[in-house]
Amino acid sequence: AQSVTQPDIHITVSEGASLELRCNYSYGATPYLFWYVQSPGQGLQLLLKYFSGDTLVQGIKGFEAEFKRSQSSFNLRKPSVHWSDAAEYFCAVGTGGGNKLTFGTGTQLKVEL
Amino acid sequence: KAGVTQTPRYLIKTRGQQVTLSCSPISGHRSVSWYQQTPGQGLQFLFEYFSETQRNKGNFPGRFSGRQFSNSRSEMNVSTLELGDSALYLCASSFGPGTGGLTDTQYFGPGTRLTVL
Repeated sequence: AQSVTQPDIHITVSEGASLELRCNYSYGATPYLFWYVQSPGQGLQLLLKYFSGDTLVQGIKGFEAEFKRSQSSFNLRKPSVHWSDAAEYFCAVGTGGGNKLTFGTGTQLKVEL
Repeated sequence: KAGVTQTPRYLIKTRGQQVTLSCSPISGHRSVSWYQQTPGQGLQFLFEYFSETQRNKGNFPGRFSGRQFSNSRSEMNVSTLELGDSALYLCASSFGPGTGGLTDTQYFGPGTRLTVL
């Protein structure tokens, strides 16, 4: 069965600093990979997705992610974090043949001013 | 285009009662999935509907059920509520059913916060 690991439960960065959130997946074939963000009391907002093709994908709000098959990773990056980026970030994998997503446990991002 | 809407946004029930949550997908989307989010278990898939048919089901007891209507709106029902059912219930819609080895992009609603006392 597929699984997703987000090793960092909490991350604190200073505003203006760069950010990298880690995501590792376990799945035998080519996965469908997603990053979502959730603000307190809100639903999930899609940041970006990878289905195939270029392994570096661009998303909204200045985020990007790189798919590395050899490392089974799909890390999320942002060159300069804004205070409004403080939220919880979820990595998810879909395995095709349906829309079921398996989520990681999430990374809570705190931004220091 | 309007996003996914869920009603009600907040709900308080007591143990043993039943509850029905509603989800209206994005216009033109025909697939609806439901997820449960709790601090202890995280985000867990409940079930997925497409064209009024359940296509996928997660590992939840039979007390959790759902359905989809011809206009793609979906409801989920939880019977005989337990304290552990307190959670944020999220609905997600996508255009297609994710057939042919695909997973379609899902867009989430704001959720229904269920509290069981």
